[in-house]
Amino acid sequence: DADVTQTPRNRITKTGKRIMLECSQTKGHDRMYWYRQDPGLGLRLIYYSFDVKDINKGEISDGYSVSRQAQAKFSLSLESAIPNQTALYFCATSHLDRGNYGYTFGSGTRLTVV
Amino acid sequence: AQKITQTQPGMFVQEKEAVTLDCTYDTSDPSYGLFWYKQPSSGEMIFLIYQGSYDQQNATEGRYSLNFQKARKSANLVISASQLGDSAMYFCAMRDSRYNSGGSNYKLTFGKGTLLTVNP
Repeated sequence: DADVTQTPRNRITKTGKRIMLECSQTKGHDRMYWYRQDPGLGLRLIYYSFDVKDINKGEISDGYSVSRQAQAKFSLSLESAIPNQTALYFCATSHLDRGNYGYTFGSGTRLTVV
Repeated sequence: AQKITQTQPGMFVQEKEAVTLDCTYDTSDPSYGLFWYKQPSSGEMIFLIYQGSYDQQNATEGRYSLNFQKARKSANLVISASQLGDSAMYFCAMRDSRYNSGGSNYKLTFGKGTLLTVNP
């Protein structure tokens, strides 16, 4: 099993629909992140969480919300999807490894809003 | 302000030759980390190499090495003996440790990426 699992892998949804992207991890890492990737823009941070009670906005949080249901689960919601939210979404975790923070990424969720 | 700059949208290299992918960064934090990731066409993010700001030597991992020039704030990735499977998008990223009200930050900021094509 993957260390960081994202579901679904692909989703097509209609404008105005609510959609949730889920992320779970088996490594016990405290820190979890949601990024979106658009062609030519790299990955941009949407939200991040350092523990269950700590949720922070990233640089592009408008139109998104998150929930940290447990240490291992971090969900991203689009309350009312719009076409410019079509992107590749990544969940990631981070952990202290040999004195430095390493990051583990999920396989990504490809979301298309029509 | 953009913190990570990758000036090469695309690069081409012949198989078996070496290639350098450029990355410059901007931070006022004395403690930071620099990462390179590979993203093949399948989409997953594959960690390649890491350099800490206090590391005395340049990082190496197999055919990957990081040319870290701290004074110039550059962290170029060098791939030796390119292979066809190296064709992918490559991202440079920086982790800083600036503190916010909730404690240390440790977010990753990415560059826009360089698409590398290895020709046979």
